[in-house]
Amino acid sequence: DVKVTQSSRYLVKRTGEKVFLECVQDMDHENMFWYRQDPGLGLRLIYFSYDVKMKEKGDIPEGYSVSREKKERFSLILESASTNQTSMYLCASNSGGRGRNTGELFFGEGSRLTVL
Amino acid sequence: AQSVTQPDIHITVSEGASLELRCNYSYGATPYLFWYVQSPGQGLQLLLKYFSGDTLVQGIKGFEAEFKRSQSSFNLRKPSVHWSDAAEYFCAVGPSGGYQKVTFGTGTKLQVIP
Repeated sequence: DVKVTQSSRYLVKRTGEKVFLECVQDMDHENMFWYRQDPGLGLRLIYFSYDVKMKEKGDIPEGYSVSREKKERFSLILESASTNQTSMYLCASNSGGRGRNTGELFFGEGSRLTVL
Repeated sequence: AQSVTQPDIHITVSEGASLELRCNYSYGATPYLFWYVQSPGQGLQLLLKYFSGDTLVQGIKGFEAEFKRSQSSFNLRKPSVHWSDAAEYFCAVGPSGGYQKVTFGTGTKLQVIP
């Protein structure tokens, strides 16, 4: 089975702190994604990556950055956390690479971030 | 731009009753369509998907969905709901533009009462 692991299930941070959310997948998937989930808003795409060192902005990239130094790992970075970034963050991956993707996503269990 | 509308935020059904969750999409070509389920405190799990071919697709846990191009809909159904089906359900459409972008609806929370 595909496994997508998010290192932290729950985090509490203070305004202005730098926050790292880590995601690792074990199925050699080319594509990885970061979504945030908020009640009534569904899932919104922050960033995605279709190859090592490649990244593309999603719908709501402001206030976030990402890093993909290895194929299996995709990190989401909040340079200076703010209270409006309190949310559930979901990492996902899938195979196929650019132009060959089937669309099906495999999700981690999520990281619930609270910014005080 | 692609988009998904789930008009029902919250639905309550009795155990054993039938279920239909609505999903309407906007997409310029033939879409890829998905239904995902999220149990409390968990990530999302794929229930079923439509890429092409037969417009009635079967998924896991006894769910099915029907793609209706004329109505731009992809409604999820189950003939008899079990208490364990209580969860949040998300419809999604994608990909688009040669990239891997899947767009999700806002979700429908299902409550099952005895």
